[in-house]
Amino acid sequence: QKEVEQNSGPLSVPEGAIASLNCTYSDRGSQSFFWYRQYSGKSPELIMSIYSNGDKEDGRFTAQLNKASQYVSLLIRDSQPSDSATYLCAVIGRGSTLGRLYFGRGTQLTVWP
Amino acid sequence: DGGITQSPKYLFRKEGQNVTLSCEQNLNHDAMYWYRQDPGQGLRLIYYSQIVNDFQKGDIAEGYSVSREKKESFPLTVTSAQKNPTAFYLCASSMDGVNYGYTFGSGTRLTVV
Repeated sequence: QKEVEQNSGPLSVPEGAIASLNCTYSDRGSQSFFWYRQYSGKSPELIMSIYSNGDKEDGRFTAQLNKASQYVSLLIRDSQPSDSATYLCAVIGRGSTLGRLYFGRGTQLTVWP
Repeated sequence: DGGITQSPKYLFRKEGQNVTLSCEQNLNHDAMYWYRQDPGQGLRLIYYSQIVNDFQKGDIAEGYSVSREKKESFPLTVTSAQKNPTAFYLCASSMDGVNYGYTFGSGTRLTVV
């Protein structure tokens, strides 16, 4: 069973601040990592994917991957109230579980004006 | 526009009834998945299928059944054997289930009455 752990939250930041969301995973050989955003009552939406060590930037979002330490993080710069949602970290399985995404339980983010 | 369509959006089931949730995609994706989401429990995998006419059990398959007769369709039946079916059900698809994240449908909220 693959383990994907996220900081439990909830996380609350003021508008304009940087929100930092963290995730660790148990399978050292994992190769593909994703961040999803889920608004209350809605389905998850893919916002970032990352496959190589280092940073990947897309607008206000930056995903960071460190395979040696087995963690992946998501930074949201200039946070907006519309960023208030639950953020899910996900990791692709390997071997017999190739093709499965393993999700963390999510971190609830609130951005207050 | 390509996407995943789940229907119905809301479904009510009486005790002892079987119900079927529909999931259709026009993204030409090979892999399809069914997840269940309960408050505070994250996403749990019920079944998944990586090719037509083949599917695998996920972590909580008991009380559920699926079929994959067409690439576009992956219906989920919640049988009377599923004792606690009230939940938010999410269908997803992926191009290959390895290098790409999932695209989710809008979900079906099932309630036992």
